[in-house]
Amino acid sequence: DSGVTQTPKHLITATGQRVTLRCSPRSGDLSVYWYQQSLDQGLQFLIHYYNGEERAKGNILERFSAQQFPDLHSELNLSSLELGDSALYFCASSAYRGIGNTIYFGEGSWLTVV
Amino acid sequence: GESVGLHLPTLSVQEGDNSIINCAYSNSASDYFIWYKQESGKGPQFIIDIRSNMDKRQGQRVTVLLNKTVKHLSLQIAATQPGDSAVYFCAETAILTGGGNKLTFGTGTQLKVEL
Repeated sequence: DSGVTQTPKHLITATGQRVTLRCSPRSGDLSVYWYQQSLDQGLQFLIHYYNGEERAKGNILERFSAQQFPDLHSELNLSSLELGDSALYFCASSAYRGIGNTIYFGEGSWLTVV
Repeated sequence: GESVGLHLPTLSVQEGDNSIINCAYSNSASDYFIWYKQESGKGPQFIIDIRSNMDKRQGQRVTVLLNKTVKHLSLQIAATQPGDSAVYFCAETAILTGGGNKLTFGTGTQLKVEL
C-alpha cells in the first residue's frame, strides 16, 4: 500500500458526461501528480500540483482540469467525455517538488466511457 | 524530443535466474531515473532510483546501472521469483519551468517468471 488513495476505483459513464476523480496523497506529501495510462499511449503525465499551486502541465486536454485543495487532496475533472478518454487515471504524490523525491502512485481509477 | 524506450517488450526467465531489463533514454538533461513495477490491476510501485551523478545503485535483490555515455539504464533482479512477474517501467525526470517535475515513462517490459 503506497498510502495514496484514489476514488472511485471503477467508473462507467456515457460520452458527453463529466466525472470527478479524487485523490488523497500520502500523509504529509505536498506534491500531487496525475497520470493517464492507456494501451496506445502508455503512462502519460497530465499535471503536477504543489501545495495547492499548479507547477507543471503535460499532455492534459482542455476538457480536463485539476485542483489541489488546502487539505492537499486533489481532484481531476474530466468533461465532455469521449470514448478515447477511457483509461486508467493514476494519482501520485511526493513529499516535495523537485527531483529526488520518491513519487508514490495510487491504485488508479479505471474510467470506461461508453 | 523526450523519449524513453525499452529494448524488449517481453522477457521470460526461469525462477532463480537473474533478470536484466534494459531501457534507453534520449534526454541527456535528465537528472534522475526510476524503475517502477506494475502488477496487473495495480499502480506503479517504486523499486529503485538513481541520480545522474551515479552509475550504480543497489537495493534488495535489485541493482540499477546507469550509463550516461550511451544513455542506457538497466535493472538487474537477482534470483528472480514468481512474485517478480510484472511490467517494469523505467522513467526519467527533469525539473520543468515553474518548479514542477514530471516522469517520462518508457513503454514497459513484461517480465514473466517460469517455474
